[in-house]
Amino acid sequence: ETGVTQSPTHLIKTRGQQVTLRCSSQSGHNTVSWYQQALGQGPQFIFQYYREEENGRGNFPPRFSGLQFPNYSSELNVNALELDDSALYLCASSQSGSEKLFFGSGTQLSVL
Amino acid sequence: AQTVTQSQPEMSVQEAETVTLSCTYDTSESDYYLFWYKQPPSRQMILVIRQEAYKQQNATENRFSVNFQKAAKSFSLKISDSQLGDAAMYFCAYRSGGSNYKLTFGKGTLLTVNP
Repeated sequence: ETGVTQSPTHLIKTRGQQVTLRCSSQSGHNTVSWYQQALGQGPQFIFQYYREEENGRGNFPPRFSGLQFPNYSSELNVNALELDDSALYLCASSQSGSEKLFFGSGTQLSVL
Repeated sequence: AQTVTQSQPEMSVQEAETVTLSCTYDTSESDYYLFWYKQPPSRQMILVIRQEAYKQQNATENRFSVNFQKAAKSFSLKISDSQLGDAAMYFCAYRSGGSNYKLTFGKGTLLTVNP
């Protein structure tokens, strides 16, 4: 059984650029969610995908978007990066019907 | 909207001793789950223990146990026989019942274990 893997582990971008973060869900999991964790804070829910459709979204602007693929891997896209987007981005997968989430180790994004 | 509050930014404990981390939450829902997650320096969130709101019995996982007080909306974590490997950030989290997997996290408590 493979775990949740995220790539890249670290990323540096400049303000105004676009970024894509990737997540490979744990085998057998059909639901993926993304969280943003700013320094010294708890993670905040960005959105969730189930069977390639977004079915829940937190308080994040439309420039945060995502995709889930048929193999249940996922992407988080952020356009027009702002300095405040600097954070750890965590991906979590789960199997429908289970309340257990399995997290990856995150992508640390720095926006300069 | 649900909120989760962890009032202890930092806690420390001696190895082999017991420590309790506090968490309170606010909700108007009756069906929900509560969790404690551990985040070591590796950054990966690791589930420590979970509690279903409809269960009156407090959850226990080896050295970890909770004190769930539903009326007071309190959910504390007790770590017994603390080990050096327990040192990490601990987050309390809330999830509504149903198919929405959104977790609402507190700000975390940094636990230091002294040898």
